[in-house]
Amino acid sequence: DSGVTQTPKHLITATGQRVTLRCSPRSGDLSVYWYQQSLDQGLQFLIQYYNGEERAKGNILERFSAQQFPDLHSELNLSSLELGDSALYFCASSVDSGNNEQFFGPGTRLTVL
Amino acid sequence: DQQVKQNSPSLSVQEGRISILNCDYTNSMFDYFLWYKKYPAEGPTFLISISSIKDKNEDGRFTVFLNKSAKHLSLHIVPSQPGDSAVYFCAASAFGFGNEKLTFGTGTRLTIIP
Repeated sequence: DSGVTQTPKHLITATGQRVTLRCSPRSGDLSVYWYQQSLDQGLQFLIQYYNGEERAKGNILERFSAQQFPDLHSELNLSSLELGDSALYFCASSVDSGNNEQFFGPGTRLTVL
Repeated sequence: DQQVKQNSPSLSVQEGRISILNCDYTNSMFDYFLWYKKYPAEGPTFLISISSIKDKNEDGRFTVFLNKSAKHLSLHIVPSQPGDSAVYFCAASAFGFGNEKLTFGTGTRLTIIP
């Protein structure tokens, strides 16, 4: 158990809908990262928050947004969903910025029908 | 543009023998490298890391070697055990504000044969 929690574990929805994925980092970790793993793909970085502020952006679609709250949990919002958004979404956390190990949650499997 | 490459999609090794997983990178700004292990339906689990100021790091049965001039790193597992069967991802990050994100390879599926 990495100490990072993600909810829900599975999510099935229809095209055009909007969903919210939630992540709670390890106790004491200030940085939260979101990654997407599509079928047969490696993990792709989406976005990072550090202590409530956006730190870095990767290949995140404009239909996707995220935020980190004062209690350091984070939410990833996916809207106008398309079939191609079906993937595993992982959240990771680390103590702070810099070259620290990132610890991953169990992921949310999103299926868009 | 695949900046971190794991050219072997799969590897089978006899139990008790050494497993060697390889990873190449192209971005010379990368200065921190990590290996993760992943079981199906679970998140990646951190195994071991190495900074670019070192060329070797050991942790129990796991050793990571870094060859900066060749932009190559490898993970050695010895002795290999059945529980080591999983997908292994190599990842890298660069130094500096906003560069902490990990760039992952596509993974190598390791199967340990009893």
